[in-house]
Amino acid sequence: AQSVTQPDIHITVSEGASLELRCNYSYGATPYLFWYVQSPGQGLQLLLKYFSGDTLVQGIKGFEAEFKRSQSSFNLRKPSVHWSDAAEYFCAVGTMEYGNKLVFGAGTILRVKS
Amino acid sequence: AAGVIQSPRHLIKEKRETATLKCYPIPRHDTVYWYQQGPGQDPQFLISFYEKMQSDKGSIPDRFSAQQFSDYHSELNMSSLELGDSALYFCASSNRQGKNTEAFFGQGTRLTVV
Repeated sequence: AQSVTQPDIHITVSEGASLELRCNYSYGATPYLFWYVQSPGQGLQLLLKYFSGDTLVQGIKGFEAEFKRSQSSFNLRKPSVHWSDAAEYFCAVGTMEYGNKLVFGAGTILRVKS
Repeated sequence: AAGVIQSPRHLIKEKRETATLKCYPIPRHDTVYWYQQGPGQDPQFLISFYEKMQSDKGSIPDRFSAQQFSDYHSELNMSSLELGDSALYFCASSNRQGKNTEAFFGQGTRLTVV
């Protein structure tokens, strides 16, 4: 079965600083990988996704993520964080084998210091 | 572009009551997923339907049932509600026949059981 690990429950960065949120997955084949962002009380907004091809994917709001098969990782990065980026970020894995059902990580809460 | 529509957005019920949550997928999407996100938790997969047939089942209590109708909308029926059922319930839809499909999430229904 797939599983997703987000080792950081909370991360605090200063506005303008760079950001990296970690995500490791467990799955036997190449999964579909996603990053979602959720503001308090809101729905899930897709930031970016990886299905195949170029391992560095660009998303919305200046986010990018890199798929590293050897490390089973799909870390999310942003070169300069804005105060509006404060939210909870979920990494998720899905596979066609499971009909695109998503398994989510526990989430990382990002706080931005001004 | 049309998105996944969930209704109602908010629902307050008393213990032991029943609740029905509705989901209208993106047009031409053939698969619907239901997720439950408890307070401070990651979304947990409940159940999915493909072409009106249940395709996968997750951690859905026996008190809950769901179905997908001929127009592809889906309803999640919850009976004998418990305080622990208070959560944000997401519906997502995808087109499983498409290549590199992804699931699109609705804004969620916030259920509060009092």
